[in-house]
Amino acid sequence: EVQLVESGGGLVKPGESLRLSCAASGFTFNSYTMNWVRQAPGKGLEWVSSISGSGSYISYADSVKGRFTISRDNAKNSLFLQMNSLRADDTAVYSCARAWRGGLMDAFDIWGQGTMVTVSS
Amino acid sequence: QSALTQPASVSGSPGQSITISCTGTSSDVGGYNYVSWYQHHPGKAPRLMIYEVSNRPSGVSNRFSGSKSGNTASLTISGLQAEDEADYYCSSHTSSSTWVFGGGTKLTVL
Repeated sequence: EVQLVESGGGLVKPGESLRLSCAASGFTFNSYTMNWVRQAPGKGLEWVSSISGSGSYISYADSVKGRFTISRDNAKNSLFLQMNSLRADDTAVYSCARAWRGGLMDAFDIWGQGTMVTVSS
Repeated sequence: QSALTQPASVSGSPGQSITISCTGTSSDVGGYNYVSWYQHHPGKAPRLMIYEVSNRPSGVSNRFSGSKSGNTASLTISGLQAEDEADYYCSSHTSSSTWVFGGGTKLTVL
């Protein structure tokens, strides 16, 4: 079964850091561009970041550029999101999602259930 | 990166058809055929319903169709069913090599 499972969320104070993980199974992980998408409470979906299958191409939303770093470990079928200098408006459920054909411009066909990040003093 | 514009809500009766619009700019919707639509039931993972403007993934009902004209994309659901009640989001690839989502539309089946 194709599956994505996120972990690492929690409650942190403004300015602190958190590292999210996404464990993939059921497909050839290194062949797929992977993405992070978030949804703040009561708000819509917001794309956060993408990374190509080899890890050679990375892009970020302006709202997180310079603070968040996406990475992957293809040997461990894992995707990561290092989040630094967290702000209250980063509070959201963070989900990883697979690009359906693996390409950078492909829509997201498999999503995880998400992990909640709460930034509050 | 401004969000794409969607109506906040739409509604329809079972069996009817509804259309949800998604308006962007020439830097996203109007410039690329990489527009997709997602169905999201709260508490569940989003589901891809349409990719590349008008293509349905395997397993998606042919009651769902997509189109685009200029800077506006549309999702049409025909033969509305109670299970279609959900939030719907459009998304587009952009000229900055990023993705942008719409604000979401809540579909109510009356």
